[in-house]
Amino acid sequence: QSVLTQPPSVSAAPGQKVTISCSGSGSNIGNNYVSWYQQLPGTAPKLLIYENNKRPSGIPDRFSGSKSGTSATLGITGLQTGDEGDYYCGTWETSLSAGVFGGGTKLTVL
Amino acid sequence: QLQLQESGPGLVKPSETLSLTCTVSGGSISRSTYYWGWIRQPPGKGLEWIGSMYYSGRSTYYRSSLKSRVTISIDTSKNQFSLKMSAVTVADTALYYCARHHREDDWFDPWGQGTLVTVSS
Repeated sequence: QSVLTQPPSVSAAPGQKVTISCSGSGSNIGNNYVSWYQQLPGTAPKLLIYENNKRPSGIPDRFSGSKSGTSATLGITGLQTGDEGDYYCGTWETSLSAGVFGGGTKLTVL
Repeated sequence: QLQLQESGPGLVKPSETLSLTCTVSGGSISRSTYYWGWIRQPPGKGLEWIGSMYYSGRSTYYRSSLKSRVTISIDTSKNQFSLKMSAVTVADTALYYCARHHREDDWFDPWGQGTLVTVSS
């Protein structure tokens, strides 16, 4: 069972917007930065968002991140079929001095 | 562009030691600020952080449930870092990824392509 809680799945139509939530506590999200990763089928995870809301070079602005208190949200606009895959949030668990990930959310673009 | 590549045996027997190496190319492993980490993903499941080590070896973090069985080491002369996991069981069967860990702000980038390790007799 993951320290960070994500919905198992989300879905939306092409062109639409979707949000994925990541819920934690004061000892992880509440006191540390959140990152988001995209894992397309059969590939390694790829950094999408770091430091809560920053995008690495090459990541389109269709992807956005936000954090409020002990929760974080990934937003994806203009959904494309190529966005289908698994999305993970990650942060640091201060009480354990350990990296932690959410359980992952499977995105389906209908 | 920094690239990471995992290597090691794809099959390990129960109770034996799993050994993997991550070779870093396109940049120096000795650059300050970064840690170097290992993450695994059991088949059909989510990501599980294993541990991370500072390039100098002066600081290391391990997942508490694996700490007694795991050792991460760094060889700056070869631009490589390694993972050793002893007394493996079938539960250690997973895709193992290496990644650069920006520990100050806790993000992992880039990642290696991953290597599947199966624990079976």
